Amino acid sequence: EAGVAQSPRYKIIEKRQSVAFWCNPISGHATLYWYQQILGQGPKLLIQFQNNGVVDDSQLPKDRFSAERLKGVDSTLKIQPAKLEDSAVYLCASSLGSYWEVAGNTIYFGEGSWLTVV
Amino acid sequence: KQEVTQIPAALSVPEGENLVLNCSFTDSAIYNLQWFRQDPGKGLTSLLLIQSSQREQTSGRLNASLDKSSGRSTLYIAASQPGDSATYLCAVRRVDTGRRALTFGSGTRLQVQP
Repeated sequence: EAGVAQSPRYKIIEKRQSVAFWCNPISGHATLYWYQQILGQGPKLLIQFQNNGVVDDSQLPKDRFSAERLKGVDSTLKIQPAKLEDSAVYLCASSLGSYWEVAGNTIYFGEGSWLTVV
Repeated sequence: KQEVTQIPAALSVPEGENLVLNCSFTDSAIYNLQWFRQDPGKGLTSLLLIQSSQREQTSGRLNASLDKSSGRSTLYIAASQPGDSATYLCAVRRVDTGRRALTFGSGTRLQVQP
């Protein structure tokens, strides 16, 4: 079974530039998450999708971050303009659905997209 | 607001030692608690999931316990091996309506010396 795919793996940009990350979840997974993990910290949720609808984007800095999952499958996360404090790993994760997670089914993470803003 | 704390932040032990990692959370209204492993440069891998009605879960040399009333969980690793070296993260799933994403601790970085 293929895992959660993310690209690019690494990106270095200058502040005020833009960047986009792509995620392809496991086939059939209805729920997709984007997490931000700053070095030395645990992942923090940015946005949660159920199919192509947003469930939770309360911690997404909407003045500079945007995300979409138009067809309910793959997703893109965009940062424009980037700031130095956006340097982090952006993790995509997916699951069968939040109901199934509550019931004990696990969530699967991709290897992450590493962003350095200089 | 749910906060998750993990102690210690880092731990170094000799191979073969048994060890305990600690996790505490401030809001006991959770669906479940999960322990993950993160290797350098990699994503997270789920190790154990404990439902709020359960007290513990075991997988091989790993045993996780949950005391929801006191807001604590422990991950016990028996007979540690160098391959266990990684960062271990605990995460809880809140019981907020419509918001069931995981809240993570900052992790414990474990190094097992050969």
